[in-house]
Amino acid sequence: EAGVAQSPRYKIIEKRQSVAFWCNPISGHATLYWYQQILGQGPKLLIQFQNNGVVDDSQLPKDRFSAERLKGVDSTLKIQPAKLEDSAVYLCASSLEGSGALTYEQYFGPGTRLTVT
Amino acid sequence: AQSVTQLGSHVSVSEGALVLLRCNYSSSVPPYLFWYVQYPNQGLQLLLKYTSAATLVKGINGFEAEFKKSETSFHLTKPSAHMSDAAEYFCAVSDRYTGNQFYFGTGTSLTVIP
Repeated sequence: EAGVAQSPRYKIIEKRQSVAFWCNPISGHATLYWYQQILGQGPKLLIQFQNNGVVDDSQLPKDRFSAERLKGVDSTLKIQPAKLEDSAVYLCASSLEGSGALTYEQYFGPGTRLTVT
Repeated sequence: AQSVTQLGSHVSVSEGALVLLRCNYSSSVPPYLFWYVQYPNQGLQLLLKYTSAATLVKGINGFEAEFKKSETSFHLTKPSAHMSDAAEYFCAVSDRYTGNQFYFGTGTSLTVIP
């Protein structure tokens, strides 16, 4: 089966610019996650969707970050305006939770490496 | 609240030697625990998981981990290191009662010396 797809793989922007990342989860996976991974740290959850509803966005900096999953499939994460400290890898993951199966696994995409200058 | 501590941000072993990567967790509920591996410029790949079945869990690439409730540990081991094992390893605990959120440790970078 195809894995989690993300694009772009790399992005360089200047501070105060905006940027958007796209994620297409594994087919049939109801739950989608966006993580931020700063260099030298473990991934930190930004937002979790189940189908097209938000389960948890408590760690999403809502003054500049937004995310949507309009049709319960692919998702977009946006940053506007970007700050230097937003430089990180943004990982998307998906899981079957919410689809009637309990596997407790999350499957990760390759990530988007964002550099803010 | 759930959290994970990985002792040792960098571990070096000789090729053929035992690999031991340490993970201790804190959880207010019975945890589910995971080990993921991350190769440069790639996403995270699941090595193995503990979901309250057998406490000794075998994963891919010859890795295994043992859940020890009394020590709140889930250390990752491999009897004989290969050069291809060089990567970043992350331990994670799952909050399965509130949506399967994962809490990751800070990672351990494994170097294999030929």
